[in-house]
Amino acid sequence: EVQLVESGGGLVQPGGSLRLSCAASGFTFSSYWMHWVRQAPGKGLVWVSRINSDGTYTSYADSVKGRFTISRDNAKNTLYLQMNSLTAEDTAVYYCMKMAPGFWGQGTLVTVSS
Amino acid sequence: DIQMTQSPSSLSASVGDRVTITCRATHDISNYLAWYQQKPGKAPKSLIYAASRLQSGVPSRFSGSGSGTDFTLTISSLQPEDFASYYCQQYDSPPLTFGGGTKVEIK
Repeated sequence: EVQLVESGGGLVQPGGSLRLSCAASGFTFSSYWMHWVRQAPGKGLVWVSRINSDGTYTSYADSVKGRFTISRDNAKNTLYLQMNSLTAEDTAVYYCMKMAPGFWGQGTLVTVSS
Repeated sequence: DIQMTQSPSSLSASVGDRVTITCRATHDISNYLAWYQQKPGKAPKSLIYAASRLQSGVPSRFSGSGSGTDFTLTISSLQPEDFASYYCQQYDSPPLTFGGGTKVEIK
C-alpha cells in the first residue's frame, strides 16, 4: 500500500523557516517524480514544486521561487521542502504527492503568524 | 503558464443523477490531465490520470474523457459519498496548474 506521511509543519513567525518532510513507502520511491502542493484555508489546490526521480531537476511556482527548495533522499525514501522567508501568504496545508497514478499524503499545516 | 478553467464552480444534484464537470486548458496538454476528489478537512484523492485512466480502487461510475484542451469528468450515477469538491490538474508543463474546483452539493 502506498503511503506518504508529511511532517514538520507548525507555527512560524514571518521571515522564519521550516523544513517539511514526506516519508514514502509502498512503492519504488527512487523511480518517481515527486511534488508538493498546498492549500490555503478555504481555498483551492496550488502546485508548489516538483523534483525528478534522482533529484537532479527541480521546478517551482513563481510564488515560492528563490525561497523554497525541494530535495529528496532516495536512500531514506524521503522528500523534503525547505521553506525560507515565510510570509502570511504561505499559510496552508502542504501535501506531498506522486502523480500518474496519483497518491497524496494527509498534509501538514504551516501557519505563518506573529 | 497554462490556465485551467473548470466549470461549473458548483452544482446541486440528486443521488442517481448523471453529473458532468468540464475543464478547459489554454494550451494543448495532450492527455496530461488528472482529476481529484476532496472532502472537507481531508486530503485530495486521485480519481483519474492521463485524462481517462481510472485510478485503482476508484468506482467505475467515474470516468474521464478528452484530449488537447477540453476534458470532462463524468459521474454516471451520483452516490451519497460523491458529494465533495473536484479539481482538474494539468501536468504537461510547469507550473502544474489546477482548475478552480467544482463543489458538488446535495439538491
